[in-house]
Formats: sequence, structure tokens, C-alpha cells
Amino acid sequence: QKEVEQDPGPLSVPEGAIVSLNCTYSNSAFQYFMWYRQYSRKGPELLMYTYSSGNKEDGRFTAQVDKSSKYISLFIRDSQPSDSATYLCASSTGRRALTFGSGTRLQVQP
Amino acid sequence: EAGVAQSPRYKIIEKRQSVAFWCNPISGHATLYWYQQILGQGPKLLIQFQNNGVVDDSQLPKDRFSAERLKGVDSTLKIQPAKLEDSAVYLCASSSGQSNQPQHFGDGTRLSIL
Repeated sequence: QKEVEQDPGPLSVPEGAIVSLNCTYSNSAFQYFMWYRQYSRKGPELLMYTYSSGNKEDGRFTAQVDKSSKYISLFIRDSQPSDSATYLCASSTGRRALTFGSGTRLQVQP
Repeated sequence: EAGVAQSPRYKIIEKRQSVAFWCNPISGHATLYWYQQILGQGPKLLIQFQNNGVVDDSQLPKDRFSAERLKGVDSTLKIQPAKLEDSAVYLCASSSGQSNQPQHFGDGTRLSIL
């Protein structure tokens, strides 16, 4: 079993839709949770960074962490064609390396 | 603030040849990571440095891969000899080293083995 599981998609939505991306994890020691966005032929770009459980909002993006169910979510409101990318969830215990999901490919249709 | 710099961006070699990748982290970042990202997968850690010391190299195939960060700033990752399954993107990331600070990635080196 992988430590971080993520549905690879692809996920196709119309412009303006609300997008929900999800991951589950198995390591109870994970304390830090991140979402990265990766465009084709580019490196992962940090979108959201949360510590422990709770919600964090930044513009059109909301990240949720539920440690009791080991569930990580990213919501994108008013999705735009420029949001088309691969979204990677990642977790860590702190000062160590990240454990990534396999990524979900999102396509926002104009 | 300048980001993580990596070179070259692309490399094509034949199997059994050697190759080296270079990374310059964000200025002042003590921790440097090398990840391997195979097509369709998330990045997987190869090695983590704290300044010029190795923190974690448990997933580095040491019979063919080596990495160094001699002066605690930039780093080099080498593969010798390369195998077909080494075709991947090699990503470098850095962080300040504090537990609440995230990692920032470069754009990677895309390696193709023929």
C-alpha cells in the first residue's frame, strides 16, 4: 500500500466549475500537508501548505485536512483553463522529505 | 528571490553511459533534496542533504547513483552506468530546513536513455 494515494484522473470540467481533488494517506506521523501544481515540463509549484487538521483558504483555492480519516482535499472555485495541470498532494513528518501521491491530471474546458 | 536552478534541462544518453545533473538551491536554504519523477508518477526522494551532510539516502541506488554537496550550497547528482529504467525527470528542491517551511522545486532535468 502506498503511503499517499491519489486518483490519477484525468478529470475534465467546464470553465467555472468547482473542482474537488482528494488524497488519502496511511502514515499517522504525517503532520504537514501540501498541494503542488505541475504544468507540463515544469517543476512542482507550491499551492497550499497546511499543518495538522483544518482548512486553509487562498483566493480560489481551499485545502482541507482531516487527520481522523486521513483525508486531504483541495477545492478550486471558479475554475479557469489556466488551472489545467497535474495536482500533486504531498505529506511529511516535518524536516524530512515529502511523500507524494501520483498526481491528478485536471483539464478545464473553456 | 531567485528560484531553484537546475541544468541541463534535457539530456539524452545511451544505456551504460554516465550523466551528471547540477542544482543550485534558493540562497540560504540549508536543506537540498533530489527527487526522481517517472512519467505518470509523483516525485520520489533519492537523497536529502542538510548543509553538506547526508540526512537520508535510503532510496538512492548506490551502485549507480551518487550525489554530493561539498560546500553546502550547490549539488551534483551522477548516474553511472545508466539503465533504461533511469529515464525520468530529476527534480531538485530546497527548503530553509525549519520543520514548518515548505520545499520549493526547480524545473528538473528530463533524462532519456536510449
